[in-house]
Amino acid sequence: GAVVSQHPSRVICKSGTSVKIECRSLDFQATTMFWYRQFPKQSLMLMATSNEGSKATYEQGVEKDKFLINHASLTLSTLTVTSAHPEDSSFYICSARDRRGDYNEQFFGPGTRLTVL
Amino acid sequence: GENVEQHPSTLSVQEGDSAVIKCTYSDSASNYFPWYKQELGKRPQLIIDIRSNVGEKKDQRIAVTLNKTAKHFSLHITETQPEDSAVYFCAAREQAGTALIFGKGTTLSVSS
Repeated sequence: GAVVSQHPSRVICKSGTSVKIECRSLDFQATTMFWYRQFPKQSLMLMATSNEGSKATYEQGVEKDKFLINHASLTLSTLTVTSAHPEDSSFYICSARDRRGDYNEQFFGPGTRLTVL
Repeated sequence: GENVEQHPSTLSVQEGDSAVIKCTYSDSASNYFPWYKQELGKRPQLIIDIRSNVGEKKDQRIAVTLNKTAKHFSLHITETQPEDSAVYFCAAREQAGTALIFGKGTTLSVSS
């Protein structure tokens, strides 16, 4: 199956700093990538849909100025958490669809554990 | 938008028993329904999926059924094993190109 990577896998930062998380499709091109956030013992909550070459679409309640998404190429989307605060501590997971083949399946990255002190 | 409800939130069974997890969805336009297994700290792993033009699908010990009229779908695991213990999520998608919307998850515990 298609492979999606995320970097970093873990990050600890101080309150007020910004953190960038990368999501890469390694062996396929992804026109669309999705960003989810998962708090402990909760479900995956969709934050935004990232489309290559255009602005991301954010879900209701997600601050677009705080969670900056850039999808500059068909294999890379980045999520920047700006001015992070402890309540932003969470597991961030991206997913991507392969342009070829079964258009239904989404391939998930391994996730990034963000801890804001 | 789509809303997915999942029950139960926790499920404990004895090894060898069957486990059933049920989900309902709100958007009648949804046409793709995958099930994921997630172990602690790891990414969700697709275990089975079903499309709206199919009523049932089976893969060894795992099966999924879909009732479009009632807008619900279920995951059935037979002959459960301790390694089946994990959190299971159902999801639904309205159309290709849109994101999956997840249920709240079911923590399955299989005791030997």
